[in-house]
Amino acid sequence: AQKVTQAQTEISVVEKEDVTLDCVYETRDTTYYLFWYKQPPSGELVFLIRRNSFDEQNEISGRYSWNFQKSTSSFNFTITASQVVDSAVYFCALAGGTSYGKLTFGQGTILTVHP
Amino acid sequence: EAGVAQSPRYKIIEKRQSVAFWCNPISGHATLYWYQQILGQGPKLLIQFQNNGVVDDSQLPKDRFSAERLKGVDSTLKIQPAKLEDSAVYLCASSSEVLYGYTFGSGTRLTVV
Repeated sequence: AQKVTQAQTEISVVEKEDVTLDCVYETRDTTYYLFWYKQPPSGELVFLIRRNSFDEQNEISGRYSWNFQKSTSSFNFTITASQVVDSAVYFCALAGGTSYGKLTFGQGTILTVHP
Repeated sequence: EAGVAQSPRYKIIEKRQSVAFWCNPISGHATLYWYQQILGQGPKLLIQFQNNGVVDDSQLPKDRFSAERLKGVDSTLKIQPAKLEDSAVYLCASSSEVLYGYTFGSGTRLTVV
């Protein structure tokens, strides 16, 4: 069975602070994909990143960066110099097995960035 | 390319009534998913279709929920009869292959009173 755990239920920061959202996963699949999604108050799920299990390179996209560590089954997400517009619920998710595997989501982390 | 279309956007019904949601995936996407997202939780898969066949419906409450994907294109999810605990956002998603990711619709927010 697959499982994704986001230990932080809520995080509150002041604008321009850096913030890291933690994600730990469990899977028996040797090939799998990890995702982060953003869900703003409007409700849609916005895709942020996808990594496969064979690529442990960290990735940076603007103010966003991701740290994938297979040894600790973690896929953490850092926002540098946070902004009010970053306020949202962030979900970590896992898809494994076949090419058409379902997504298993974590419980989500509510991020609030105060001006 | 057009996104995943869902309707209605909102629905309020009384308990024991029935309701249906519709989803039109991205053209060419063979796999279609219905997720249920209860307030404060992550989305949970209800059912996964590959073309018009069911791949996974292990978490679908089959005594009251049903889904179909005729002709392997659009899909309908039905609840009959609805319970208070069915209040949630119902998200439809489609994909070609995991490698290329998933696209979610805007969801249908169901309130059962």
